[in-house]
Amino acid sequence: AQKVTQAQTEISVVEKEDVTLDCVYETRDTTYYLFWYKQPPSGELVFLIRRNSFDEQNEISGRYSWNFQKSTSSFNFTITASQVVDSAVYFCALSEAENNFNKFYFGSGTKLNVKP
Amino acid sequence: DAGVIQSPRHEVTEMGQEVTLRCKPISGHDYLFWYRQTMMRGLELLIYFNNNVPIDDSGMPEDRFSAKMPNASFSTLKIQPSEPRDSAVYFCASSPRRDSGLSGNTIYFGEGSWLTVV
Repeated sequence: AQKVTQAQTEISVVEKEDVTLDCVYETRDTTYYLFWYKQPPSGELVFLIRRNSFDEQNEISGRYSWNFQKSTSSFNFTITASQVVDSAVYFCALSEAENNFNKFYFGSGTKLNVKP
Repeated sequence: DAGVIQSPRHEVTEMGQEVTLRCKPISGHDYLFWYRQTMMRGLELLIYFNNNVPIDDSGMPEDRFSAKMPNASFSTLKIQPSEPRDSAVYFCASSPRRDSGLSGNTIYFGEGSWLTVV
């Protein structure tokens, strides 16, 4: 079974639209971390955010915001007023205490196309 | 601070040849990871080291793959002999100690080595 599910394979929006990328995770651990990474067309994987399982506060960083809800096992990522530079593949990931946080389970990624 | 540095960035090689990918982790990081990314399988963990010692190599596909970390600032992933199905992007990543405050438990990736075996 997939531990991290990103059901949206690809999303296309027009610049300035808001867009939400979904992430649903599965774990039996009570202590875990969730992450988002960005992979732009150049190929590198860029760390965006980390949340631990005890902190359900939403986070905002500029145009980016993250909504963590344990009740629905979701960690969704919203980009407000999207820009062309946001075009990338976005990966959600999970690490668990069971594996000493060393095994990262990545979702299959959501490709975001932002058109001018 | 410099990030994770990988070389080569791109390599095209013929089937049967030996391929060596290199990685310099972020200074001070205790953990080093090798990942492989393909369209079919996504991101797969191949092996990881803690303080230069291999901890889990269960993701290494077969005996043709080997990884070493002779010191804290250098690691290699070797494929011998290479096959076309090894074509992928290979990422090296590193992570600080688990008790390193805000950055612990986060892995930072290099830019990847794009391998094509023909």
